[in-house]
Amino acid sequence: SQQGEEDPQALSIQEGENATMNCSYKTSINNLQWYRQNSGRGLVHLILIRSNEREKHSGRLRVTLDTSKKSSSLLITASRAADTASYFCATEIQGAQKLVFGQGTRLTINP
Amino acid sequence: DGGITQSPKYLFRKEGQNVTLSCEQNLNHDAMYWYRQDPGQGLRLIYYSQIVNDFQKGDIAEGYSVSREKKESFPLTVTSAQKNPTAFYLCASSMGRLEGATNEKLFFGSGTQLSVL
Repeated sequence: SQQGEEDPQALSIQEGENATMNCSYKTSINNLQWYRQNSGRGLVHLILIRSNEREKHSGRLRVTLDTSKKSSSLLITASRAADTASYFCATEIQGAQKLVFGQGTRLTINP
Repeated sequence: DGGITQSPKYLFRKEGQNVTLSCEQNLNHDAMYWYRQDPGQGLRLIYYSQIVNDFQKGDIAEGYSVSREKKESFPLTVTSAQKNPTAFYLCASSMGRLEGATNEKLFFGSGTQLSVL
């Protein structure tokens, strides 16, 4: 099964609302990262949170990490139509030299 | 501009044919990666390389081969042994892993869509 599993698989909200996506993982990690992918394009790094951090902000993005529950959430505030994309969490597993990606949340912002 | 260039954007493979996907970076990164993405799915790691002339298998290496003769280049060959090659292929790079270093982010190319004729 996947190291990172995201919830929900798809989310549709109105412009201006907040969007929350969740990621759960199974093993100990060095860090957890969130990426964004527009349809048919490559991924773009959004934010990295280390295992000893609990919360991080970047513009309209807020990421939390709960290592005791092995989960993370990504909050996008005041959503815009341009935020429509798929969002992936990726975990850097302790002792491994690679990132493991979740299956993503497809976010649609309706104008 | 610095970045990662993948080519071609679209590629078609005939049965029994090997095809090679190109990935070039001018970010001076040591580490490079190949991922496969199937529709509506996450990314699965095919191969990765931490340094020139060295590479390791990822989670789904069967039917694929790579080389890393230059720091800037990490081509992926999809061989005829890969029976289900239709997918979106993504190349990525990171600064590289010095001893004990972690917490690197990946920079991605724009991908190659491979389809079977």
